Amino acid sequence: QITLKESGPTLVKPTQTLTLTCDCSGFSVSSIGVAVGWIRQPPGKALEWLGFIYWDGDTLYSPSLNSRLTITKDTPKNRVVLTMTNVDPVDAATYYCVHRRNGGSGWLDYWGQGTLVTVSS
Amino acid sequence: NFLLTQPHSVSESPGKTVTISCTRSSGSIATNFVQWYQQRPGSAPSIVIFEDNQRPSGVPDRFSGSIDSSSNSASLTISGLKTEDEAKYFCQSYASSNQWVFGGGTKLTVL
Repeated sequence: QITLKESGPTLVKPTQTLTLTCDCSGFSVSSIGVAVGWIRQPPGKALEWLGFIYWDGDTLYSPSLNSRLTITKDTPKNRVVLTMTNVDPVDAATYYCVHRRNGGSGWLDYWGQGTLVTVSS
Repeated sequence: NFLLTQPHSVSESPGKTVTISCTRSSGSIATNFVQWYQQRPGSAPSIVIFEDNQRPSGVPDRFSGSIDSSSNSASLTISGLKTEDEAKYFCQSYASSNQWVFGGGTKLTVL
């Protein structure tokens, strides 16, 4: 059974760096074909794709956030980490960790419960 | 990149059929697969349709997807509406270089 669980601060100050962790179980983040990513959703608003990290360490980021995002993985701990620099109140959202299905169009077959991040001084 | 435009909200009665549209602003809707995700209040989204018209196991056959090149849009149709179908629905597709695009979401009310 695949599960993903996000953790991290619930409140960050503007200009700070946000770091979120996704603990994965039921699969290895380094197994061939695996991709884990992040999606965010401001309260009451649409989903926004942030990026993916692949089993081989390759990454893909949203062009609008590319300069501020880093996604890494820790294979021994089987976790994925999202780092976002220079946060702003517009970055306040629920951040979801997602597992991308291996093969086909690679739709998102598993989602974490999400973690709500507030950005305020 | 292109935009995926969805109606803000739709409503229909239990037992009826509703269709939610997702219109691509540029480029052909048929170029890249479209997925649909359901998000019930307070929950994470979950897939209901993948690759335009495929249903994952566990999703009732009341849910169906299609694309229409003439209107450059994808559609999610839910028949035999149940109160449990009340949720927000998001379409999603792919832009160049494997960038992901989501629609703004449609709130379905079953009343």
